[in-house]
Amino acid sequence: AQSVTQLDSHVSVSEGTPVLLRCNYSSSYSPSLFWYVQHPNKGLQLLLKYTSAATLVKGINGFEAEFKKSETSFHLTKPSAHMSDAAEYFCVVSSGYGNKLVFGAGTILRVKS
Amino acid sequence: DVKVTQSSRYLVKRTGEKVFLECVQDMDHENMFWYRQDPGLGLRLIYFSYDVKMKEKGDIPEGYSVSREKKERFSLILESASTNQTSMYLCASSLLLPSGSSYEQYFGPGTRLTVT
Repeated sequence: AQSVTQLDSHVSVSEGTPVLLRCNYSSSYSPSLFWYVQHPNKGLQLLLKYTSAATLVKGINGFEAEFKKSETSFHLTKPSAHMSDAAEYFCVVSSGYGNKLVFGAGTILRVKS
Repeated sequence: DVKVTQSSRYLVKRTGEKVFLECVQDMDHENMFWYRQDPGLGLRLIYFSYDVKMKEKGDIPEGYSVSREKKERFSLILESASTNQTSMYLCASSLLLPSGSSYEQYFGPGTRLTVT
């Protein structure tokens, strides 16, 4: 069965500093992986997705993630945090059955001015 | 742009009431999903549907049922609401692809349900 572990429930950074949100996955086959973002009182929005093409995936708003099969990781990064990045972020793996997705518990990113 | 709409943003119901949550998507997607979101637990899948009148249980179907009479509409039903069903409910839709590949899901804004 597929599973996702987000290693930090909360991350706090200063504006202008790098962001690192960590995600490890477990999958019995080559997975599809996603990062979604949820701003307060908003629905989930897709940030980026990995589907077995390039291992470094670029997403919206300057975010990117690197798929590392040997480490079973898919960490999300951004070189310079902006106040508008404050939100909850979910790492997600595809179950491969009926396009079902398995969500991590989420990481709340706080950006300090 | 894909649009997924949900009938209510906020809902307050009493224990034992029957509750209907409606979801409509406008992109002719085959797949539709209902999740509940609770702090520290992420999103958990309640039910999903591949096609009209088709439904499959997700990870936490107990206490819920669903209905899909039209392709664009997927309803979640709480037959007898209980306080432990107080949560945020999110609907999503996606294209249907062959097994082993996935398209992203598009989410509605959510319905915050409080059962008192």
